[in-house]
Amino acid sequence: SQQGEEDPQALSIQEGENATMNCSYKTSINNLQWYRQNSGRGLVHLILIRSNEREKHSGRLRVTLDTSKKSSSLLITASRAADTASYFCATDPNTGFQKLVFGTGTRLLVSP
Amino acid sequence: EPEVTQTPSHQVTQMGQEVILRCVPISNHLYFYWYRQILGQKVEFLVSFYNNEISEKSEIFDDQFSVERPDGSNFTLKIRSTKLEDSAMYFCARQGTSGGNYEQYFGPGTRLTVT
Repeated sequence: SQQGEEDPQALSIQEGENATMNCSYKTSINNLQWYRQNSGRGLVHLILIRSNEREKHSGRLRVTLDTSKKSSSLLITASRAADTASYFCATDPNTGFQKLVFGTGTRLLVSP
Repeated sequence: EPEVTQTPSHQVTQMGQEVILRCVPISNHLYFYWYRQILGQKVEFLVSFYNNEISEKSEIFDDQFSVERPDGSNFTLKIRSTKLEDSAMYFCARQGTSGGNYEQYFGPGTRLTVT
């Protein structure tokens, strides 16, 4: 089974619209993190939500976590062309070593 | 918190050659990680390194791979005899240090091309 799968695989929206990406995982976790990756570049940490948290905000980002459904969502409000990137969820399985298991990613395209 | 830096940004090597990828973190961090991303695929964990020892490694991290922190600052990933399938982006990451913070901060990556 695959830990960390995002949907949709690709999302295309207009500037100003909201973008919602979902992530599902299979094992118990300590936390779940979201990252952004511009094409061919490094991973930028966006937000971390712990397993005992249900919702977290950071600027235009809102992350939810439902541990009963083993799922998370990332909402980007009032999107901008600069938000165009791939977005990955990464889970820290409850193994004590804090390695991250990444999902397959959602490619977001925000058109001006 | 600042990211780590990685050198080189791009490495081209011939199959069978040894490569060393370098990560330069802030010296007081204890937890480091190497990940790789084959083009178009997901980011995969390779190895975690805590207090100068390997704490966990994946099945990808076979005998061809090794990590060390030779001088207490630089953190290296060595591939002894590269294969075509080793072509990927390799990312170094460090764990955040403030208040039980488990974010991982990634470097810009080294693009390894094996020909």
